[in-house]
Amino acid sequence: EAGVAQSPRYKIIEKRQSVAFWCNPISGHATLYWYQQILGQGPKLLIQFQNNGVVDDSQLPKDRFSAERLKGVDSTLKIQPAKLEDSAVYLCASSRLGAGEATDTQYFGPGTRLTVL
Amino acid sequence: SQKIEQNSEALNIQEGKTATLTCNYTNYSPAYLQWYRQDPGRGPVFLLLIRENEKEKRKERLKVTFDTTLKQSLFHITASQPADSATYLCALNDYKLSFGAGTTVTVRA
Repeated sequence: EAGVAQSPRYKIIEKRQSVAFWCNPISGHATLYWYQQILGQGPKLLIQFQNNGVVDDSQLPKDRFSAERLKGVDSTLKIQPAKLEDSAVYLCASSRLGAGEATDTQYFGPGTRLTVL
Repeated sequence: SQKIEQNSEALNIQEGKTATLTCNYTNYSPAYLQWYRQDPGRGPVFLLLIRENEKEKRKERLKVTFDTTLKQSLFHITASQPADSATYLCALNDYKLSFGAGTTVTVRA
């Protein structure tokens, strides 16, 4: 079974520029998550999709971040404009069951390391 | 405010010894607690899940305890090996997964 794919793996941009990340979850997984992991911290949930609907985006800075899940499969996360504090690893994860299934295992991709100069 | 605290110091242990990691939480009432392993440059990998009504869970050389009165989970790696060197994250399930900052374990041969 192929894992969660993310691209690019690394991105360096200047502040105020825009950037987009792509995620392809494990085939058949209903739920997709985007996390932000700042160096030395644990992952923080930004947004959770079930199929192509948003379940939780309470921690997404909506003035600059946006995300969509195309046809309930792939997803993109965009930052526009980027700030220095957005430097982090952006992790995508997917899980088989629907939102609210607390025992559902999340499978993480390798992440995209973003550096904002 | 809600807080999840793991051992702030990195753990350096000799091969064959037991590593014990701590996860303490405040202002959460999780029904489940999970432990993940994260290697440099990679995403977290799920290891174990323990429910609030379970005191202990084992998987091979790993053991997890969950004390909802103390609001604490302990994670043990027995007979540690250099391949166990990684960062270990605890995560609480309330309505979403909330992670601690992790503890980095280095096992010396």
